[in-house]
Amino acid sequence: EAQVTQNPRYLITVTGKKLTVTCSQNMNHEYMSWYRQDPGLGLRQIYYSMNVEVTDKGDVPEGYKVSRKEKRNFPLILESPSPNQTSLYFCASSTSTGVDEKLFFGSGTQLSVL
Amino acid sequence: KQEVTQIPAALSVPEGENLVLNCSFTDSAIYNLQWFRQDPGKGLTSLLLIQSSQREQTSGRLNASLDKSSGRSTLYIAASQPGDSATYLCAVRSASGGSYIPTFGRGTSLIVHP
Repeated sequence: EAQVTQNPRYLITVTGKKLTVTCSQNMNHEYMSWYRQDPGLGLRQIYYSMNVEVTDKGDVPEGYKVSRKEKRNFPLILESPSPNQTSLYFCASSTSTGVDEKLFFGSGTQLSVL
Repeated sequence: KQEVTQIPAALSVPEGENLVLNCSFTDSAIYNLQWFRQDPGKGLTSLLLIQSSQREQTSGRLNASLDKSSGRSTLYIAASQPGDSATYLCAVRSASGGSYIPTFGRGTSLIVHP
């Protein structure tokens, strides 16, 4: 089954404790991205990757890191989480960035930073 | 910068009604527009994708139209059912400025009551 898999589904941590949220897709997609969703602000893109070893900032990259060492994986790293990073996070992927690409989303990771 | 607006923000209707959800965008230079459904606390599921060269797409009871010149898209839901209750988001992939960051609207929260 074609899917984007995120882990963990829920995460509670404390300020400053490094964490990684994993994302994996099995559709051989070139394009992968991370979003955060906050009430009243909607979905905002954090980082995206056009292919292996190619990443770029989205609208809200501060406090986050990503890497794309393999095509299927795109982990999101919070080196020193802060309470304002409490949010619902989504990973997404698509075949390309052309006219016909469709975005596929993971189920989300609810992060709480205390 | 592309801006996407969805009206209304919330909608409550009795079962069986035909619905129209609106999505407007400010920059008509787009690759595509995609409609998503999101259930509470869950990921986004793609409903329909309309390429910039297309006028509409249909899937079952759903029909999405695109008018680039006026910067508008509508999602038509025929014979609504309680199972259609969810938040519906549109996302625009802009073609100008080399941006690969899709812009999301804040969604329309739909409740269909029996």
